Amino acid sequence: SQTIHQWPATLVQPVGSPLSLECTVEGTSNPNLYWYRQAAGRGLQLLFYSVGIGQISSEVPQNLSASRPQDRQFILSSKKLLLSDSGFYLCAWSGYRVRNYEQYFGPGTRLTVT
Amino acid sequence: GNSVTQMEGPVTLSEEAFLTINCTYTATGYPSLFWYVQYPGEGLQLLLKATKADDKGSNKGFEATYRKETTSFHLEKGSVQVSDSAVYFCALPWDRYGGSQGNLIFGKGTKLSVKP
Repeated sequence: SQTIHQWPATLVQPVGSPLSLECTVEGTSNPNLYWYRQAAGRGLQLLFYSVGIGQISSEVPQNLSASRPQDRQFILSSKKLLLSDSGFYLCAWSGYRVRNYEQYFGPGTRLTVT
Repeated sequence: GNSVTQMEGPVTLSEEAFLTINCTYTATGYPSLFWYVQYPGEGLQLLLKATKADDKGSNKGFEATYRKETTSFHLEKGSVQVSDSAVYFCALPWDRYGGSQGNLIFGKGTKLSVKP
């Protein structure tokens, strides 16, 4: 069966510090991968998605970036965090070119920028 | 492109009450429709889905029927429990590029609180 992992689970970082969040998927190949952010009490905001290694699409201009160095690894980064980067970050995957669009989410990372 | 509108919460119910959370959509064709649930502090879980018109998705006592006439996919449960307290999201494919990326668009979420 497929599983998706995210780490760390929680993170407290000062403004201006760098960020690296990692997401890995097991039990599937060639997944589509997604990064979402959920601000407190708000809905989901799609940040990045990837259909393959090295292929990243950005949905929202910001100081975050994403990379996909391996088929089942997706990394969210920042060189300098802003207060507004605080939130709950969710990684998700879906099957390669599946037609039903089901997405499966990881447990999330709670980021607090102080 | 496709869009989804979900009733805003919060919704507070007593245990064993009937639940309805409204979801309407606009879409090209007849895309699959989804309900996701997010328990406090966790990621989203797929609750149920319907892949074609008139389909009924069901899981854990929840149901939703794909109504193409009213472009709706309302979530219902006959008797809610305290453990159903969560945020519920309606979703459908994001048809921006013909759908090949597998992206979904989500409603804003409805927070449900069930009191004993």
